[in-house]
Amino acid sequence: AQSVTQLGSHVSVSEGALVLLRCNYSSSVPPYLFWYVQYPNQGLQLLLKYTSAATLVKGINGFEAEFKKSETSFHLTKPSAHMSDAAEYFCAVSGPRGYSTLTFGKGTMLLVSP
Amino acid sequence: SQTIHQWPATLVQPVGSPLSLECTVEGTSNPNLYWYRQAAGRGLQLLFYSVGIGQISSEVPQNLSASRPQDRQFILSSKKLLLSDSGFYLCAWSVGLAGANEQFFGPGTRLTVL
Repeated sequence: AQSVTQLGSHVSVSEGALVLLRCNYSSSVPPYLFWYVQYPNQGLQLLLKYTSAATLVKGINGFEAEFKKSETSFHLTKPSAHMSDAAEYFCAVSGPRGYSTLTFGKGTMLLVSP
Repeated sequence: SQTIHQWPATLVQPVGSPLSLECTVEGTSNPNLYWYRQAAGRGLQLLFYSVGIGQISSEVPQNLSASRPQDRQFILSSKKLLLSDSGFYLCAWSVGLAGANEQFFGPGTRLTVL
């Protein structure tokens, strides 16, 4: 069965600091992995996705994530945080059903201080 | 380009009242459609998904139901709301059956049951 674990419900960084949001997955098949961002009272927006083409995936807004099969991880990083990055971030893995269903983690709230 | 609409944006309903939330997608044909509920600290819970008109799969048994009367319309309903139905409801769409295809989310409906 597919599952996603996001370590840390809240992560705090200073503006300009490295952002690291952790995601570990469990999947019975080779996974497709996604990171979404959600601003308050809005829907989710896709940041990036891993579809087995390359292990280092670059997304929007300067974010990137690296797929590590040996560690079953797909951590999200950004070299320098901006105030506008403050939001909730969700990691997701495809499945368990067909038809492009997704299993989401519980989310990590990123707080950015000046 | 594709767009997804949800209404209403916010809703306050008494316990025991009926519910109807609507989602429509523009600019694509035969999309897969999804309803999620988001409760604080619990991530996104997939409620229903549909791969075609009249085809609904339920992920969680509860007092909610879904219908798809038209190709790009997805409706979430309840005959009698419970306090536990409060939350942020998100509709999403995707195309194709491949797990690599991302989902696109609507702006959401904030439901408060009193």
